[in-house]
Amino acid sequence: DGGITQSPKYLFRKEGQNVTLSCEQNLNHDAMYWYRQDPGQGLRLIYYSQIVNDFQKGDIAEGYSVSREKKESFPLTVTSAQKNPTAFYLCASSTTGSGANVLTFGAGSRLTVL
Amino acid sequence: RKEVEQDPGPFNVPEGATVAFNCTYSNSASQSFFWYRQDCRKEPKLLMSVYSSGNEDGRFTAQLNRASQYISLLIRDSKLSDSATYLCVVTGRGSGTYKYIFGTGTRLKVLA
Repeated sequence: DGGITQSPKYLFRKEGQNVTLSCEQNLNHDAMYWYRQDPGQGLRLIYYSQIVNDFQKGDIAEGYSVSREKKESFPLTVTSAQKNPTAFYLCASSTTGSGANVLTFGAGSRLTVL
Repeated sequence: RKEVEQDPGPFNVPEGATVAFNCTYSNSASQSFFWYRQDCRKEPKLLMSVYSSGNEDGRFTAQLNRASQYISLLIRDSKLSDSATYLCVVTGRGSGTYKYIFGTGTRLKVLA
């Protein structure tokens, strides 16, 4: 079945460490996204990519980095520069044609900084 | 003003009740509209897209009012399994990009 796989599901990090969250999709979608969700807040866009080897900052990119070397993969690195990294991280993908392009989400990665 | 606004709830309704949620958006150029369902500590999942003429999927009906800039979701004959947070999502183009904007969600509790 097609879908998006995120790993790890749970991750604990000490302050000062960088961590990388994996996101792989087999939906053949061109666009991929990373969102952050905090309690009581809507999803906020961190980074997005519409084609391989290209990506743009979203609304809260500071302290994060991404790469898009393959269409299927869009890993997110949470660096030590991110001040409040504890959150639920969601990867998503979509087609990019005209019309309503539905976002499909992975199951998420829950990061806790100790 | 937030780009997409929803009443956070919770809406506590008995089984079998009809419940409606509204979502307002600020950008009149918004192009596509969706309702997603999110269960506690899970990812959002598409419930339904919202079309200009309104659309129905079983017990769920979605409406779009472009003039007043809101979308609505009606749930008939509520089930316990409908308990979740319902997210309104609006898209549009800004700076040449295709952007999804999420509301904070409306929490529904269906009570036995």
